[in-house]
Amino acid sequence: GAGVSQSPSNKVTEKGKDVELRCDPISGHTALYWYRQRLGQGLEFLIYFQGNSAPDKSGLPSDRFSAERTGESVSTLTIQRTQQEDSAVYLCASSSDMSSYNEQFFGPGTRLTVL
Amino acid sequence: QQQVKQSPQSLIVQKGGISIINCAYENTAFDYFPWYQQFPGKGPALLIAIRPDVSEKKEGRFTISFNKSAKQFSLHIMDSQPGDSATYFCAATRPPNDMRFGAGTRLTVKP
Repeated sequence: GAGVSQSPSNKVTEKGKDVELRCDPISGHTALYWYRQRLGQGLEFLIYFQGNSAPDKSGLPSDRFSAERTGESVSTLTIQRTQQEDSAVYLCASSSDMSSYNEQFFGPGTRLTVL
Repeated sequence: QQQVKQSPQSLIVQKGGISIINCAYENTAFDYFPWYQQFPGKGPALLIAIRPDVSEKKEGRFTISFNKSAKQFSLHIMDSQPGDSATYFCAATRPPNDMRFGAGTRLTVKP
């Protein structure tokens, strides 16, 4: 079956512009996560959606970052007024709540470069 | 704040040697401890995982050792191979789906 997909794979933008990153989770997965990974760094948790519950936004670094998810499907991560420090790979992952211990399946990421 | 601390940041091992990566956590609500492997240009993928009711789990050349009282766990890669060269992340999960990752260890296995 299809895995987690993300688009675009690469995005180059100018400082100050807004960008939207898209994540298509595995069908039936109720949980969806966004992470940021700066070059050579670890995974920085951004936001977590679980079903219809209110999302856990505790990792969003500033109010320029927001994310939405429609039901249990597609999610978009929006970064407004991009800054150079936003340059990173943005990873999306999804997991199922059908088991007690939930493996996260990652997409290939979107590499964002802010000039 | 970093809820899972991972060390070392980078590791170089000769082919055939043992690679050891350590992690420590603070929140006792965590109840599942996976390790993810990431190759350049790819997303992380689950490698092996352990629950806190066992002290060790082995899958092939990969072993997790878990010390619940010390709140520490480690990944051992036996007979390390150049193909194991990747970045490894430990993680800790608490119900229902909250997973926190360590900062990662870049492993290089020299032929």
